[in-house]
Amino acid sequence: EDQVTQSPEALRLQEGESSSLNCSYTVSGLRGLFWYRQDPGKGPEFLFTLYSAGEEKEKERLKATLTKKESFLHITAPKPEDSATYLCAVPWAGGANNLFFGTGTRLTVIP
Amino acid sequence: DGGITQSPKYLFRKEGQNVTLSCEQNLNHDAMYWYRQDPGQGLRLIYYSQIVNDFQKGDIAEGYSVSREKKESFPLTVTSAQKNPTAFYLCASTLRMAGGTGYTFGSGTRLTVV
Repeated sequence: EDQVTQSPEALRLQEGESSSLNCSYTVSGLRGLFWYRQDPGKGPEFLFTLYSAGEEKEKERLKATLTKKESFLHITAPKPEDSATYLCAVPWAGGANNLFFGTGTRLTVIP
Repeated sequence: DGGITQSPKYLFRKEGQNVTLSCEQNLNHDAMYWYRQDPGQGLRLIYYSQIVNDFQKGDIAEGYSVSREKKESFPLTVTSAQKNPTAFYLCASTLRMAGGTGYTFGSGTRLTVV
């Protein structure tokens, strides 16, 4: 069965304190892994797509990496405006473009 | 600018009442989706449509109905058969063979039963 598990559920960081969020998956024939950011009361916003093990993508203070079993979202020197829920998703094995989402990590950055 | 518009932003439903949530996109995307989001839970798929006049049930379709008469529009009706409809509802769209950005999401509708 396809599974996407994110950890931790919640993370509190001091401003400037770097850390990583984890997304582990069990999907046969991975056809991409997606990271989204969601602010309270809003729809998710796209951050990154990763397709193959070893791939990395960066955007400002965020860097996403991918292995054969998991993906990490590294946050370097976070700021309070990075506070949000971060979601990862993978396409279903059986669906051309249906995404299966993890439950997310709620990040709070304290000034 | 292209995007997805959901309306209304907030919706209140009385017990036993049907309500319809609107979702319109001008991205020329083929596929459209409805998700439900509850606190502490991930996005759960209600219905999806890959092409006009065709749609499939997702994991939690009971108590919901949809239509796809136009490529741009995918309204969701929450019927009285849905016993616990209070939630945040998200509409999304994508090209048929998603790559790149995956889904584009609307800003959501928060439905509350009163």
